Amino acid sequence: AQSVTQPDIHITVSEGASLELRCNYSYGATPYLFWYVQSPGQGLQLLLKYFSGDTLVQGIKGFEAEFKRSQSSFNLRKPSVHWSDAAEYFCAVGHTNAGKSTFGEGTTLTVKP
Amino acid sequence: EAQVTQNPRYLITVTGKKLTVTCSQNMNHEYMSWYRQDPGLGLRQIYYSMNVEVTDKGDVPEGYKVSRKEKRNFPLILESPSPNQTSLYFCASRGTSGSSFLGSYNEQFFGPGTRLTVL
Repeated sequence: AQSVTQPDIHITVSEGASLELRCNYSYGATPYLFWYVQSPGQGLQLLLKYFSGDTLVQGIKGFEAEFKRSQSSFNLRKPSVHWSDAAEYFCAVGHTNAGKSTFGEGTTLTVKP
Repeated sequence: EAQVTQNPRYLITVTGKKLTVTCSQNMNHEYMSWYRQDPGLGLRQIYYSMNVEVTDKGDVPEGYKVSRKEKRNFPLILESPSPNQTSLYFCASRGTSGSSFLGSYNEQFFGPGTRLTVL
C-alpha cells in the first residue's frame, strides 16, 4: 500500500538558516508528489509539485524540492528561512486513481529569532 | 473571490446526534474531497467525488456519508457521531484540465476547516 512518512515531527531553525524537511514515500509506480503548508488556523496551500522531468522543482515562497527515486524521497528545502515560514508542512502523494491522496504526518517548523 | 467555504467552522455535539458539515466551492471544480486532520496522523482522506453523482471512499470512510447532487456542494454527513470522530475536517476542490490525466493533479484548494467535538 502507498504511504508517506515525514520522519521529523518538529524542527526548529534560526531565522536566516537553511531548512530541509524530509519526506519518504512508498508507492508502486511513478509517484505524483506534493508539498503543502498549513499556517496556524488556516487551510492548506500548495507549495510545489512533482510529476515528471526535472527532479528539482521550484515552488512558491522560495521553496524547492528534489525527487530522488533511488531513495524514495522528496525533501523540501529553503536556503534562508523567514519567521513567516513557521507553519506545519505536509508531504503528499497522488495516485494513479486521481481521486485519492495520501498525506504524511506533518512536520511543524518553529523559527527562532 | 475564488474559495472553498465550510460551515459551521466550529461544532460541539453529542454522541448519536446526526449532523451535516457543508462545503461549497465557487470555482466550477469537478473534484471535491473531505479530509480529517488529527495530531500525529496528518490528513486522511474520508471521501472524494470526481463529479456530480460520482463519489468514492478514501482511506477512512467508516461513519461518514457524502452526496454530490450539485457541482458546487459536497456535504459531509455524520449519521451517528461518536467521540472518535472528534477532529478537524477539511474540504478541498480541484479543477481538471482537459483530457490530460495530469490535469487531474491541478492544485487542490482547501477550505478553512471545521473543528468538530463529539461528547
